[in-house]
Amino acid sequence: QQQVKQSPQSLIVQKGGISIINCAYENTAFDYFPWYQQFPGKGPALLIAIRPDVSEKKEGRFTISFNKSAKQFSLHIMDSQPGDSATYFCAAISFSGGYNKLIFGAGTRLAVHP
Amino acid sequence: GAVVSQHPSWVICKSGTSVKIECRSLDFQATTMFWYRQFPKQSLMLMATSNEGSKATYEQGVEKDKFLINHASLTLSTLTVTSAHPEDSSFYICSPRGGTGLGEQYFGPGTRLTVT
Repeated sequence: QQQVKQSPQSLIVQKGGISIINCAYENTAFDYFPWYQQFPGKGPALLIAIRPDVSEKKEGRFTISFNKSAKQFSLHIMDSQPGDSATYFCAAISFSGGYNKLIFGAGTRLAVHP
Repeated sequence: GAVVSQHPSWVICKSGTSVKIECRSLDFQATTMFWYRQFPKQSLMLMATSNEGSKATYEQGVEKDKFLINHASLTLSTLTVTSAHPEDSSFYICSPRGGTGLGEQYFGPGTRLTVT
């Protein structure tokens, strides 16, 4: 119930295309859903995050769509660039539910081809 | 975002020796520190959680006597891998969290440990 399932495992997109990464969760106590971007040999960096009272959040080319009833959320990268090539992790956390720690998805390796 | 540093960025040690990894939060106070381990092409695995001045809480399956965590101040935490073995070779990442609001958790740049 603490798991966050992420798909696809890897993704290849052409430059200028839209990259879409999906995550699903079971624990309805989760109340914060961040996405992290990680380049090889570096630590993860917070990209964008959303709370369950909002259905969509957009920051530049990055958008999170959140479907509370389906317990799913996704990251959309518009106009994907080669510099976006990295591993993306979705995560979830319950600040109110006791287990106050990030639960990470398995990660998606994105390659944007020029 | 906050500035988090880790030292060293990479280290090679011989089997049986100990290695200390430092994590500093340079511009905010880390009331809680998380330590993660990441194997190649895998997700982050939480090893332990510590609050400043308190003993660390270890996740199931993580040997507390092997991975010593010290969180003596709000800006410094250390992870010591004792009696390292080749299977301890991994990417270790610290992640400080401040206490000023939801979601303010940041990640260090990571330390690559190779045990020969």
